[in-house]
Amino acid sequence: AQSVAQPEDQVNVAEGNPLTVKCTYSVSGNPYLFWYVQYPNRGLQFLLKYITGDNLVKGSYGFEAEFNKSQTSFHLKKPSALVSDSALYFCAVRDPPYNTDKLIFGTGTRLQVFP
Amino acid sequence: DSGVTQTPKHLITATGQRVTLRCSPRSGDLSVYWYQQSLDQGLQFLIHYYNGEERAKGNILERFSAQQFPDLHSELNLSSLELGDSALYFCASSPHGFGNTGELFFGEGSRLTVL
Repeated sequence: AQSVAQPEDQVNVAEGNPLTVKCTYSVSGNPYLFWYVQYPNRGLQFLLKYITGDNLVKGSYGFEAEFNKSQTSFHLKKPSALVSDSALYFCAVRDPPYNTDKLIFGTGTRLQVFP
Repeated sequence: DSGVTQTPKHLITATGQRVTLRCSPRSGDLSVYWYQQSLDQGLQFLIHYYNGEERAKGNILERFSAQQFPDLHSELNLSSLELGDSALYFCASSPHGFGNTGELFFGEGSRLTVL
């Protein structure tokens, strides 16, 4: 079965510094990978996705993610963190059978950006 | 605002009771997905409906059932409630059943507390 792993429960970073939130995947076939963000008391919001093509994917709010097939990773990055980026981040993979777009989510990583 | 509406936002009930959670998808979206978010289980996929038809089923308990109506709104019914059913229940929608870009649009969730 498809799965994603987020090895860090929490990531702390100072405002203005680059941030990385890690995700590794395990899939059969070509991976369809996603990042979502959840702000307190809100639903999940789509940030970006990798389906095929360029390994560097750009998304909302200045976030980007790098797909690395050899390391089976899909890390989320941002060059300069903002306090407002503090939230819960989920990596996800589309799961077969391919008659549904259901996503399987990782356990989430809490990002804390300090002023 | 994702355009997905969930009611009620909060619900407190007792063990053994039955509740119904309602979801209205974005205008024009044919698919509805239900997820359960709890502290110990993370985000778990429950079920996917497309245009009234069940497309995929996840780790949904037999005490839980769902349906999608002709007007495309969906209801998740939870019965014989247990303390462990306390969680945030999310609904998400997307335009198609499969082959979409993969982006799901999430509502803000219904927080269920079982006492």
